[in-house]
Amino acid sequence: GAGVSQSPRYKVAKRGQDVALRCDPISGHVSLFWYQQALGQGPEFLTYFQNEAQLDKSGLPSDRFFAERPEGSVSTLKIQRTQQEDSAVYLCASSGRGGLGYEQYFGPGTRLTVT
Amino acid sequence: AQRVTQPEKLLSVFKGAPVELKCNYSYSGSPELFWYVQYSRQRLQLLLRHISRESIKGFTADLNKGETSFHLKKPFAQEEDSAMYYCALRGTYKYIFGTGTRLKVLA
Repeated sequence: GAGVSQSPRYKVAKRGQDVALRCDPISGHVSLFWYQQALGQGPEFLTYFQNEAQLDKSGLPSDRFFAERPEGSVSTLKIQRTQQEDSAVYLCASSGRGGLGYEQYFGPGTRLTVT
Repeated sequence: AQRVTQPEKLLSVFKGAPVELKCNYSYSGSPELFWYVQYSRQRLQLLLRHISRESIKGFTADLNKGETSFHLKKPFAQEEDSAMYYCALRGTYKYIFGTGTRLKVLA
């Protein structure tokens, strides 16, 4: 079956623009995670959904970042008024159960470059 | 504070030599630890988790609570092991990743 997909794969935004990044998890997966990965760093947790409920958003770096998963499947990460420090790869991962002891399946990431 | 430390950015070994990728963690509670791997032009994927106590592709990792370590080991490195390796710790809802170690296995 298809794995986690993300779109777009690459996004160039001018500083101040809003962007929306999409994640399609594996069908039926309950848990969905967003991570930010800066160059040379490991993935940094942004937020976690269990179905449509956002249970943890402690990693969102500012109120310019917003994530949603309204029907418990597809998720969108929105960044308003992008800044240069937002340039990173944004990773989405899903896992099959509500608990966190299950394997996360990662998408290919969206590389965001803010100019 | 919850933290994962991977002290080596790059580790180069010759094919057939033993490999040890270091991971230390800080966590108040009973930790759950993982190793993830990213091969060139591929996605990040789970290599192994400490609760499974399994060997994957010849790699093992033992959780040492006294030393707060979860080092990844393989007795004989292969060229196909060259990749980026990340140690990760599971918190309440989030996963905390280290900065990664790039392993290069030289022919």
